[in-house]
Amino acid sequence: NAGVMQNPRHLVRRRGQEARLRCSPMKGHSHVYWYRQLPEEGLKFMVYLQKENIIDESGMPKERFSAEFPKEGPSILRIQQVVRGDSAAYFCASSDFRTDTQYFGPGTRLTVL
Amino acid sequence: GIQVEQSPPDLILQEGANSTLRCNFSDSVNNLQWFHQNPWGQLINLFYIPSGTKQNGRLSATTVATERYSLLYISSSQTTDSGVYFCAVEADNQGGKLIFGQGTELSVKP
Repeated sequence: NAGVMQNPRHLVRRRGQEARLRCSPMKGHSHVYWYRQLPEEGLKFMVYLQKENIIDESGMPKERFSAEFPKEGPSILRIQQVVRGDSAAYFCASSDFRTDTQYFGPGTRLTVL
Repeated sequence: GIQVEQSPPDLILQEGANSTLRCNFSDSVNNLQWFHQNPWGQLINLFYIPSGTKQNGRLSATTVATERYSLLYISSSQTTDSGVYFCAVEADNQGGKLIFGQGTELSVKP
């Protein structure tokens, strides 16, 4: 059973560009979570999704950030008009049930020049 | 919201030594997990342990939910144990969202 997959592993963008981060959950998992780890900081929750639904987006910045988990295909975290402060590691996790072990992917390291 | 505090923030050990890492949380939880973030940045699941005791090789963990703390024990440490250890909890009324502590940075010297 393959683990949580994220791509790309490294992404470089210039200020003002868009960043798209992809996450494929573990097979059979219908709950997806995104977390962000800023340099020298801990991990912070961003958003929790189930297929076609956003359950909790209380950790998402109000502007420029959006997430989706369509019926088919991976979950996407989209950052529009990136700024240098968006440089961070973005981790995706998935679980089988809501209150259950969350398994983390390898992360996408975003660098904004 | 729920607060998660880990101690100590840093720890240096000689290979072969034992250690105990602590995680205190301020409210009742549905979920508690321990992770190891290795020097390459990957987050490795260690334990899912909202209560009770579990063991996996040289690692074991105990959560006393009524007293709102969890302990991670590392015995006979190895250099590959180096990295940051995170405790993360899901509060009773915060379905799905894991709140992470600031971590304990462990360095095991040969």
